[in-house]
Amino acid sequence: LAKTTQPISMDSYEGQEVNITCSHNNIATNDYITWYQQFPSQGPRFIIQGYKTKVTNEVASLFIPADRKSSTLSLPRVSLSDTAVYYCLVGDMTVTGANNLFFGTGTRLTVIP
Amino acid sequence: DTGVSQDPRHKITKRGQNVTFRCDPISEHNRLYWYRQTLGQGPEFLTYFQNEAQLEKSRLLSDRFSAERPKGSFSTLEIQRTEQGDSAMYLCASSPVGTPRDTQYFGPGTRLTVL
Repeated sequence: LAKTTQPISMDSYEGQEVNITCSHNNIATNDYITWYQQFPSQGPRFIIQGYKTKVTNEVASLFIPADRKSSTLSLPRVSLSDTAVYYCLVGDMTVTGANNLFFGTGTRLTVIP
Repeated sequence: DTGVSQDPRHKITKRGQNVTFRCDPISEHNRLYWYRQTLGQGPEFLTYFQNEAQLEKSRLLSDRFSAERPKGSFSTLEIQRTEQGDSAMYLCASSPVGTPRDTQYFGPGTRLTVL
C-alpha cells in the first residue's frame, strides 16, 4: 500500500533551487520522513531525514509543516550532477524491520544546462 | 572504501540456472536488507536480517529465493532455477542498531540478466 505521492518528473535549470513535494496524508505519529537519491546503475543514497519543522544538512533541506501531511525536499542551486531519481519514504521509527518500507517510483529530476 | 559492497556487479545467466550474489555490509552494521529493483520502479523489499537472524521476508521472495547471513557479517542471496522475470537489479543495504530503519546505506547493486 503506497503511503506517499510525489511528482513523477521535474525539470530545472542549473543554478536554480528545486523543491520536490511529497504528500503523505496518512502519516502516523511514529513515522519519520526520509528522502533518498538514486543515480542510474547505483543504489539509493540517503539524503535527509526529519520528523517535523525543518532539517538542513550539507546537501539539502527538508521542510515539514505542522500537520506533517506533506514534506518538501529543497535542493539549493542544483547542478547537472543532481540529475537523479528522488524517493520520499515514510516509515515507523519504532520498527526495526523493513517489510513495509515502500520506495514508490520516485521523482525523476532532470537538470538542464 | 568502507561502504556496502556487492559482488558481482553484473551477472548474465541462462534461464534455469542458479545464481548467488554476495553482500558485504558496513562492518559495524548489524541490520542487513535485500531489495529488488526493476526498470523505472523503486526498490522493493525482499528480506531483512538482524545479525544472523532472518527476521522478515516479503511475499516477493518465492521459494526459489533463499538468503543467508551465517555469521552476522556478509550475506548471500541465491536464486534457483532462474526465470526471465528475475532480471532486475538486486540491492543490498545495511544500517546500525539505534537508527531509524529508514536510514539505510545501499551498495551498488548486482544487475542480473536472465536470457
